[in-house]
Amino acid sequence: NAGVTQTPKFRILKIGQSMTLQCTQDMNHNYMYWYRQDPGMGLKLIYYSVGAGITDKGEVPNGYNVSRSTTEDFPLRLELAAPSQTSVYFCASRPGAIYNEQFFGPGTRLTVL
Amino acid sequence: GESVGLHLPTLSVQEGDNSIINCAYSNSASDYFIWYKQESGKGPQFIIDIRSNMDKRQGQRVTVLLNKTVKHLSLQIAATQPGDSAVYFCAGMVYNQGGKLIFGQGTELSVKP
Repeated sequence: NAGVTQTPKFRILKIGQSMTLQCTQDMNHNYMYWYRQDPGMGLKLIYYSVGAGITDKGEVPNGYNVSRSTTEDFPLRLELAAPSQTSVYFCASRPGAIYNEQFFGPGTRLTVL
Repeated sequence: GESVGLHLPTLSVQEGDNSIINCAYSNSASDYFIWYKQESGKGPQFIIDIRSNMDKRQGQRVTVLLNKTVKHLSLQIAATQPGDSAVYFCAGMVYNQGGKLIFGQGTELSVKP
């Protein structure tokens, strides 16, 4: 199993541009998450999904959108990039039982100039 | 509200010594906690977890202690090695919001040879 994979690894955007961060997991996990990590800080939840077709907002959803059309994929969309969205983005998944750990992808480092 | 916080941003130990990393949580944060290790440029990696009905859990060279009275948990690493150098996060799971994790800010552990 590849686990949780994310693309791209790095990206530089100009203010106002749009992009989609890709996340795929091959573990058949129901739950998937998007977090952002600012320098020297812990991770904050952007959006999450409890299954295909179901998504909900986390702590910091403004400026982002998600979709979950399949169990495997959970893309994160930035519509109008702003410098405040410069961060490292992590996707995670877990099977679905209450006490299961979350498995994290390697992250996407995004810079908005 | 929910919060998880770490006590020290940095910790420096001598190789072979034991390390103790501390974390506090608020009233409603969670009844399930995870410790993650994050190396530079990588996603968080699961170390050990503990449920609120436990006081202690041991893994390989790691022990997590949970004190529910003072809402405090700690990660103990025995015989710390250079490969243990990383940022360590505690996280509490909020299972009524899709199992999202509330992360502390992290403690950077440096191991001196």
